[in-house]
Amino acid sequence: AQSVTQPDARVTVSEGASLQLRCKYSYFGTPYLFWYVQYPRQGLQLLLKYYPGDPVVQGVNGFEAEFSKSNSSFHLRKASVHWSDWAVYFCAVKGNMGYKLTFGTGTSLLVDP
Amino acid sequence: EAAVTQSPRSKVAVTGGKVTLSCHQTNNHDYMYWYRQDTGHGLRLIHYSYVADSTEKGDIPDGYKASRPSQENFSLILELASLSQTAVYFCASSDRLGGDAEQFFGPGTRLTVL
Repeated sequence: AQSVTQPDARVTVSEGASLQLRCKYSYFGTPYLFWYVQYPRQGLQLLLKYYPGDPVVQGVNGFEAEFSKSNSSFHLRKASVHWSDWAVYFCAVKGNMGYKLTFGTGTSLLVDP
Repeated sequence: EAAVTQSPRSKVAVTGGKVTLSCHQTNNHDYMYWYRQDTGHGLRLIHYSYVADSTEKGDIPDGYKASRPSQENFSLILELASLSQTAVYFCASSDRLGGDAEQFFGPGTRLTVL
């Protein structure tokens, strides 16, 4: 069965500092990986997605993520956090033929001014 | 721009009552999904549909029914609402299956069952 683990329920960073949100996945086969962001009282918006190929994926608003098959990870990074990045971030995995998007439990990002 | 809307945005229901959550998409997508979000569980798939007049069970279908009367509309029905069904419900749509198919989400419906 596929699964996603986001080990950090909450992360606090100072504005302008760098950010890494961790994601570990479990999937037998070739995974497709996604990072979604949920702003307060809004739905989920796609930040970036990984297809088999280049392990580093660029997303919107300066976010990027790196896929590692050996570590079963897909960590999200940003070089300089802005206050508007305050949100909940979800990592998700899907198989090649599948409909099923399996989410992690999410990481709440708090930004100190 | 993909558009998925949900109604109502929030609802308070009584235990044992019937609740219907509605979802409408203007994306011309064939596939639609219902998820629930609980603190500490992320999003979990309840039902999905790939064509009008047909629905499929997801991971947690017990206590829920779904209806897809048209390509654009997908409803989630709680025949006998229970306290444990208090959650935020999200609808999503996609144009196809497959690993690279992006799902577009609505803004969510916050359901409180008392």
